Amino acid sequence: DVKVTQSSRYLVKRTGEKVFLECVQDMDHENMFWYRQDPGLGLRLIYFSYDVKMKEKGDIPEGYSVSREKKERFSLILESASTNQTSMYLCASSPLGQGNEQYFGPGTRLTVT
Amino acid sequence: GEDVEQSLFLSVREGDSSVINCTYTDSSSTYLYWYKQEPGAGLQLLTYIFSNMDMKQDQRLTVLLNKKDKHLSLRIADTQTGDSAIYFCAERRSQGNLIFGKGTKLSVKP
Repeated sequence: DVKVTQSSRYLVKRTGEKVFLECVQDMDHENMFWYRQDPGLGLRLIYFSYDVKMKEKGDIPEGYSVSREKKERFSLILESASTNQTSMYLCASSPLGQGNEQYFGPGTRLTVT
Repeated sequence: GEDVEQSLFLSVREGDSSVINCTYTDSSSTYLYWYKQEPGAGLQLLTYIFSNMDMKQDQRLTVLLNKKDKHLSLRIADTQTGDSAIYFCAERRSQGNLIFGKGTKLSVKP
């Protein structure tokens, strides 16, 4: 079974702090994704990566950056957290080819106070 | 429009069939997906359909695709209380990224 893990289920940070959200997948998938999920807005893509050291902006990249130094790990960075970044963050990975189906981690609920 | 559209809520009785509908946007989308999200959990892939198919069945799940109308549906037969969740449809764009609907909350009453 594909396993996507995220470093924390719940996180509370203060405004202005630098926040790292880590995601690791164990299936050698090429593609990895970061979404945020908010009530009434569904899932919105923040960044994605098709390969190591490669990143592409999604629909809402402002205020975020990412890092993919190793194939299995994709990090989301909030350089200076703000209250409007309080959200559920979901990481996903998918293989090349086939249906490109995405497999999701359990999510990190981030609260910025 | 630019969005993948779904109704926000659906309520059924246990044992009935549930049909969740979705309208997608890009006629060149190659794959369409249904995901399930239970409370406090991430998204679980239920099934997907390739755009050259019009139906896919997997146990209690039936996916119907009308490519002309860009309409996708998920039918759950014999709905159980354990099926209560939020269901997301998603389309795969030509660049490879997925666009998700806002999700349909299915409530199953005993």
